Order: sequence, then structure tokens, then C-alpha cells
Amino acid sequence: ETAVFQTPNYHVTQVGNEVSFNCKQTLGHDTMYWYKQDSKKLLKIMFSYNNKQLIVNETVPRRFSPQSSDKAHLNLRIKSVEPEDSAVYLCASSPGTGGRTEVFFGKGTRLTVV
Amino acid sequence: QQKVQQSPESLTVSEGAMASLNCTFSDGTSNNFRWYRQHSAKGLEVLVSIFSDGEKEEGRFTAHLNRANLHVSLHIREPQPSDSAVYLCAGQGTGSKLSFGKGAKLTVSP
Repeated sequence: ETAVFQTPNYHVTQVGNEVSFNCKQTLGHDTMYWYKQDSKKLLKIMFSYNNKQLIVNETVPRRFSPQSSDKAHLNLRIKSVEPEDSAVYLCASSPGTGGRTEVFFGKGTRLTVV
Repeated sequence: QQKVQQSPESLTVSEGAMASLNCTFSDGTSNNFRWYRQHSAKGLEVLVSIFSDGEKEEGRFTAHLNRANLHVSLHIREPQPSDSAVYLCAGQGTGSKLSFGKGAKLTVSP
């Protein structure tokens, strides 16, 4: 049973709108992530937070902004969505940031931009 | 060029036959490797984590790592139709960031 919870499951919106996705983990982990999975199933990291601090920020358009209120929550806001933002957004968490740390994923939020 | 090459892109096997998937890492940073499974409408489920050369078995799933060849494979023994899913290999370097392959769609026919 998943312990990384994402809402909503699906979202359809028009170009130019703003959307927000929520993520909560109940594992007591210090580190959370957002990954993007495109239509070809390729998963790429977008952001990583450790104890509410941004530690990884890949080359992501500025319209994407992560928001962390505490270490159990990491939300993702997209201002003025574009068609190429259509994807599945996966939230994840891990106990730490070491190279062998296991990463646990949520079920994803599928965004469709029309 | 994709730094994590996964093959094949899709594979169909009969129930009970061995299924084998492969990944080659050329990102230069991955030291630790994992295989994940992704069913439709479900999150990623880690199947096997392997950190040193050789073999690691978790139930019906066995991973092989050959660092010299930058190659990691997954073998699924006696696959069932419920094993039909997308399988992704992932590498981790000194940090926890995961670099994924494009995934392989496995179909197990009864």
C-alpha cells in the first residue's frame, strides 16, 4: 500500500491556466521529489527537497515552482500551462539523499493540457 | 543521446517462460541500480536493488550487474499475466537522484 499520496489523480486544463498538484508522504522521510513522465514513459527528475530545502533543481521552465510547507508535503504549481506540460507527474520520497537510499513513489497525477 | 539505454522496448512471453530485460548505463555517475515495475494507474514498485557486481534475487526477480560493461539485467522467472506492466531500470550515483531508462513493456500471455 502506497504511503506517498498525490492529488488529484487526473486533471484536464486549458493552455494558459494555472494548476497545482499536492503530495503528502506518511513515511517520516526527510527528502521529497517531483518527477515528470512524458508520453514515451521517460521519467526525469524535476526537483528535490530535503527538510524543506531545495537541493536539486533540474533544467525546468520557470513556470514550474515547487512548494514545501513541511518535510511531509511537497506541492507543485505550474503557472500558465503549455501543451508540452501534458504528462504524468510523480511525487516520491526517501529517508535521505545517499546513493543507496530507496525512493518510494506515489501513483502520479496525469495532466492533460488542451 | 539517452544516457540509460533499455532494451527491448517491448517483450511478449508466454506464461511460465523466462523474461529478460536489459539496461546499459553511459551516464558516468550511476553506481547503484534498481528495477521498478509500473502497472497502469499505479505507482512505481521497486523489484530489486543491486549495488555490487553479481546477482541479486528477490523472489521470482533476479538482477545481474556487470560494472565493467555498465550493464544490468532483470530476469523474471515463471512470469504470470499479472506481471504484465512497464519495467524501468534506474541508476543512482552518490546522491539519491534516479536516472531512468525509457521502460520496457512486458506482456505475459496465458
